[in-house]
Order: sequence, then C-alpha cells, then structure tokens
Amino acid sequence: NAGVTQTPKFQVLKTGQSMTLQCAQDMNHEYMSWYRQDPGMGLRLIHYSVGAGITDQGEVPNGYNVSRSTTEDFPLRLLSAAPSQTSVYFCASSRGGTDTQYFGPGTRLTVL
Amino acid sequence: AQKITQTQPGMFVQEKEAVTLDCTYDTSDPSYGLFWYKQPSSGEMIFLIYQGSYDQQNATEGRYSLNFQKARKSANLVISASQLGDSAMYFCAMREGYNTDKLIFGTGTRLQVFP
Repeated sequence: NAGVTQTPKFQVLKTGQSMTLQCAQDMNHEYMSWYRQDPGMGLRLIHYSVGAGITDQGEVPNGYNVSRSTTEDFPLRLLSAAPSQTSVYFCASSRGGTDTQYFGPGTRLTVL
Repeated sequence: AQKITQTQPGMFVQEKEAVTLDCTYDTSDPSYGLFWYKQPSSGEMIFLIYQGSYDQQNATEGRYSLNFQKARKSANLVISASQLGDSAMYFCAMREGYNTDKLIFGTGTRLQVFP
C-alpha cells in the first residue's frame, strides 16, 4: 500500500493563478480531509469528505474548492491564489470512528 | 466551541529521562477522541497514541502513554526514556463525536532531547 499520496511536493504560484493539489489513498477509507499548516500554528481543517459525493467545509474554507468523485481521490483547488495561501497542505484519510487519520507527506505552496 | 490548548511552546529533556507534554481541551460533546501526533523536521505527521472519551484506562503505546484526566479535561502525553530521535514537534488533537473526521489541533510543543 502506498497510503496517502500528494502531488506536487513543492509549488510556486503567482497571485491570481489557479491550481489543483492532488491527493489519493489506496486504503479504501471513507473519510478524507485537507488541512493547512502555517508557521507557529497547528493544522487547520479546510474541507473534508465523509464519502464519495459528500463534502463539507472546515474551519478555513475560503478560497478553496473540493470534490470527491471517487473513494480514492480528493483534490483541492485553489481558485485564485493569494499570498495568504502560502502554507504547507496536508491531506489525510481514515475509516472514521476511533481510527486515526493517516497523513500524506504534504505540499509546500508559495504564492508570490 | 471545541478547543485544544498546548501551553508549552518548547520543552527540553535529557536523553533517557521522562517528559510530559501538556494538552487541555474543551468540548461539550460527551463523545470525543484525543490524538497525539509527532512531526519531525522532515515534516510528516506521525500518529502516536489515541484516547477515547469512554475509555476507562489510560492509553499506552510502547514508550508513549496518555495521562487522561477527564474531569480536568487534560490529555497529557508522557514519553518515557527519551531518545535523541524524539526531538520533534508534538501536536495534540481532538475529534468530536464518532461520525465525523474533523480534527482540531493545538499549536504544538517543540521537544528537544539533549545527550
């Protein structure tokens, strides 16, 4: 099993550009989430999904879109990048309940 | 609203000694879970230990144990026999309920283990 994979590992964007961060898991987990981590702060939830076709907003959803067309994939779209979106982005998945979340390696995004 | 508080920005411990990392939480939901994650300098998030709100006993995983005091709403992580490889950021997190996967994280504690 590859676990949770994220691409790309690093990305530099200019203000106003759009892009999609990819996330995939091969553990057949129903739950998937996107977090961002800023310096000096813990991870903050952007969007999450409890199954294919079902998504909901987290704590900091503005400027991001998600969709979940398959169990395996949960892409995060930045509509119009802003310098405030410079961060490290983590994708995670789990079976829910008492199961832990398994995190991907992260994507370091810089918006100039 | 649910909240996780980690009041120790940084901690130092000598190799082979035990160390306690503090975590307090706030929630009105009787069903919740508490997690600890380790983030080394390489950046990945590594799961360490889990405690459910209805668990009668404190969770243990190898050198990690969770000192769960429900009435005080605290879930401190105890690392016994510290190793140099334990140097990392440590995050406490909480999930409310069982039909959600939303984690709330604290701001973390940076642990440094010295020889």
